[in-house]
Amino acid sequence: AQTVTQSQPEMSVQEAETVTLSCTYDTSESDYYLFWYKQPPSRQMILVIRQEAYKQQNATENRFSVNFQKAAKSFSLKISDSQLGDAAMYFCAYRSASTDKLIFGTGTRLQVFP
Amino acid sequence: SAVISQKPSRDICQRGTSLTIQCQVDSQVTMMFWYRQQPGQSLTLIATANQGSEATYESGFVIDKFPISRPNLTFSTLTVSNMSPEDSSIYLCSVGDLEAGYTFGSGTRLTVV
Repeated sequence: AQTVTQSQPEMSVQEAETVTLSCTYDTSESDYYLFWYKQPPSRQMILVIRQEAYKQQNATENRFSVNFQKAAKSFSLKISDSQLGDAAMYFCAYRSASTDKLIFGTGTRLQVFP
Repeated sequence: SAVISQKPSRDICQRGTSLTIQCQVDSQVTMMFWYRQQPGQSLTLIATANQGSEATYESGFVIDKFPISRPNLTFSTLTVSNMSPEDSSIYLCSVGDLEAGYTFGSGTRLTVV
């Protein structure tokens, strides 16, 4: 069975600085999708970025980028120029190409200090 | 991407009672998903709601406790039955769209007293 591990329960960053959140996963599949979701106190799950495993190029969305290392089964999220509004829980998620279910990691709470 | 309206946003319920949570999607979707998020925890999939057939439940979740309806391609309900304080959680519905990423409802915060 696939598993997703986020080893950092909490992280903090100064406003305008850069922070990297870690995620590793375990799978025997070669085709899958990876996601980062943000959950602010409002509870709303917000998609931050997605990556298809067959794409070698790392996904980027404005200040958010990933470092996807398929062989190492690693999918870290880098947030550049951190803003106070980035403070939230961040969840890494895995989806097999053969099912529609998302498997979530345990989350990382990000604090942003002015 | 799809927009989901989920209600109620929160409720406080007496133990032994049931609560039905509704999710309405602004477009037709094949599959809807129901998740539970216990306090301070990650999201755990309860079941996949398929239109026209029985929901598919994950290990540890049973239909008698979490009955699901899916009468059409835009609507689904999850009922939490015979509630106990251990059922206090956030419940979220979601629809899958690989292009736009999975979209989630705003969640229902349930407190059982």
